[in-house]
Amino acid sequence: DQQVKQNSPSLSVQEGRISILNCDYTNSMFDYFLWYKKYPAEGPTFLISISSIKDKNEDGRFTVFLNKSAKHLSLHIVPSQPGDSAVYFCAASATPDMRFGAGTRLTVKP
Amino acid sequence: NAGVTQTPKFRILKIGQSMTLQCTQDMNHNYMYWYRQDPGMGLKLIYYSVGAGITDKGEVPNGYNVSRSTTEDFPLRLELAAPSQTSVYFCASSHRQGMNTEAFFGQGTRLTVV
Repeated sequence: DQQVKQNSPSLSVQEGRISILNCDYTNSMFDYFLWYKKYPAEGPTFLISISSIKDKNEDGRFTVFLNKSAKHLSLHIVPSQPGDSAVYFCAASATPDMRFGAGTRLTVKP
Repeated sequence: NAGVTQTPKFRILKIGQSMTLQCTQDMNHNYMYWYRQDPGMGLKLIYYSVGAGITDKGEVPNGYNVSRSTTEDFPLRLELAAPSQTSVYFCASSHRQGMNTEAFFGQGTRLTVV
């Protein structure tokens, strides 16, 4: 079963605006949540993570929010830049394995 | 720093053939993973390992086998290739201590079974 879901296959935003990528999960045992960025013909690269005991984590232009009661997390990118255009995967971890969503393709238009 | 290295990068197999996808990491990570990514889909966990000598099944293990004889290496074996195994395969490793939960991925192996 799909324990991690990204329901938006694509998102297009204007440069300088905010990008919001969403992710839902079903397994309440997940204790870490991560976002990965992937360019074509490359492996995913880690972007930002959040522990289940927190509700927000910031790193520069990237902020991840976690709503445990709703089993929902989101990634905010402010301001969005054309170089942010990539596929973003949400991942959830319950030691020892890690499950991924289907990804959201973000396009940032100049 | 090499990180996670996968070989080969590309391979075409005939139905029924076998092959081993190689994965090695030089970060002394204890956790290693194999994922497959089908077109337009997310990454599905095939197998994982929490240390040398220990492996376990993920979401989609059928048709695959793994071994973990050393910390560095985690090969994935396809015994009887089928067209449904056409995919891009990613190997990853992580340290899994405290906040160090991010996984580092290899560049992937694109496998086509014809």
